[in-house]
Amino acid sequence: EVQLVQSGAEVKKPGESLKISCKGSGYSFTSYWIGWVRQMPGKGLEWMGIIYPGDSDTRYSPSFQGQVTISADKSISTAYLQWSSLKASDTAMYYCVMVRGDILTGYPDPWGQGTLVTVSS
Amino acid sequence: DIQMTQSPSAMSASVGDRVTITCRASQGISNYLAWFQQKPGKVPKRLIYASSSLQSGVPSRFSGSGSGTEFTLTISSLQPEDFATYYCLQHNSYPPTFGQGTKVEIK
Repeated sequence: EVQLVQSGAEVKKPGESLKISCKGSGYSFTSYWIGWVRQMPGKGLEWMGIIYPGDSDTRYSPSFQGQVTISADKSISTAYLQWSSLKASDTAMYYCVMVRGDILTGYPDPWGQGTLVTVSS
Repeated sequence: DIQMTQSPSAMSASVGDRVTITCRASQGISNYLAWFQQKPGKVPKRLIYASSSLQSGVPSRFSGSGSGTEFTLTISSLQPEDFATYYCLQHNSYPPTFGQGTKVEIK
């Protein structure tokens, strides 16, 4: 069974750094893109970016370019989403997703369980 | 980026009602359109893929249609467990983009 298991909820202060993780299992981790989706409290779903763990090719949606860093460690089948300096507006649920298909037409399935990030002073 | 305009943003309906939600793409996306259901505190669940194909295990009261720029999700007879927020997603070109969501509430 294909599974994505994300790291646990985080509570951070503005200005702190953070790295959350997403571990894939049940499939060839290096053969599928992994994406990240943000959902702010009470709001909709936003695509943040995507990485191909096989060669670390990474693309960002324009709204998130420069705001976050996506990376992967294929040796442990884990993708990461990180911030160097959190803001209160980064408070959200973050989902990782496996992308079935190529980068242009692939669709997200399955989804991780989500990581809630709360940034508050 | 392709913009997905979903309507309505919210609606009230009764059990047994027929419900239709629409998504319009800012440019043609062929049939690269999926529909997701999200309940509070839960992970989005895919209902429909390729515009009209029903995900395995999803009740047949859900159906999707459309191609190009206009798409619809229909629930033929709304059930209590269907009260949720629904999102469309285009994956014809990168980045994938979601509609803003439709919250279906109990009348």
